Amino acid sequence: SAVISQKPSRDICQRGTSLTIQCQVDSQVTMMFWYRQQPGQSLTLIATANQGSEATYESGFVIDKFPISRPNLTFSTLTVSNMSPEDSSIYLCSARLAGGQAGELFFGEGSRLTVL
Amino acid sequence: GNSVTQMEGPVTLSEEAFLTINCTYTATGYPSLFWYVQYPGEGLQLLLKATKADDKGSNKGFEATYRKETTSFHLEKGSVQVSDSAVYFCASGGGFQKLVFGTGTRLLVSP
Repeated sequence: SAVISQKPSRDICQRGTSLTIQCQVDSQVTMMFWYRQQPGQSLTLIATANQGSEATYESGFVIDKFPISRPNLTFSTLTVSNMSPEDSSIYLCSARLAGGQAGELFFGEGSRLTVL
Repeated sequence: GNSVTQMEGPVTLSEEAFLTINCTYTATGYPSLFWYVQYPGEGLQLLLKATKADDKGSNKGFEATYRKETTSFHLEKGSVQVSDSAVYFCASGGGFQKLVFGTGTRLLVSP
């Protein structure tokens, strides 16, 4: 089992600003991911956070808009840059534990961003 | 690419009623299938999984069977409780494949 802490849990942001979300895992992990959950839609994978190197982004997501860091095994940040109202969403951090079952991910509670 | 379709909610039931939440998938190859659950104020957590055709995953009274012929993985429970109220997500993938999630189905159980 694992506890994944995300902060902030929610925020209201102004258009054009940037916000960084932090994610901390309390266990040994192999992989960390960032997802977006827009209202009424499924979870969409943004990127895989790679320790000490550039993240691997999914189609439709770019580093300039969603820079991601993972300076060590258990910590990662996601920045949502130059925000617009379309970025209003829940952003979820998840992790696969070392020795965990294939496909079993642990999730944080999410960060709910509202962009005005 | 892979995709998952699940029934829209909310599903509203009385305590001790029978629950079915439908889920179908499209995939290349033979993915593993999962149900995740998100209780109010908590993160998603794995509820059950099945890794090959005809496998049945089960946990906390919930069951789902991997049906290759109908590409389905419907979630069932014989008698729901108020504490089962949550959002349920079907997903496919696993291993070296990305997990692809459905849109989630909210279950509301009243006493």
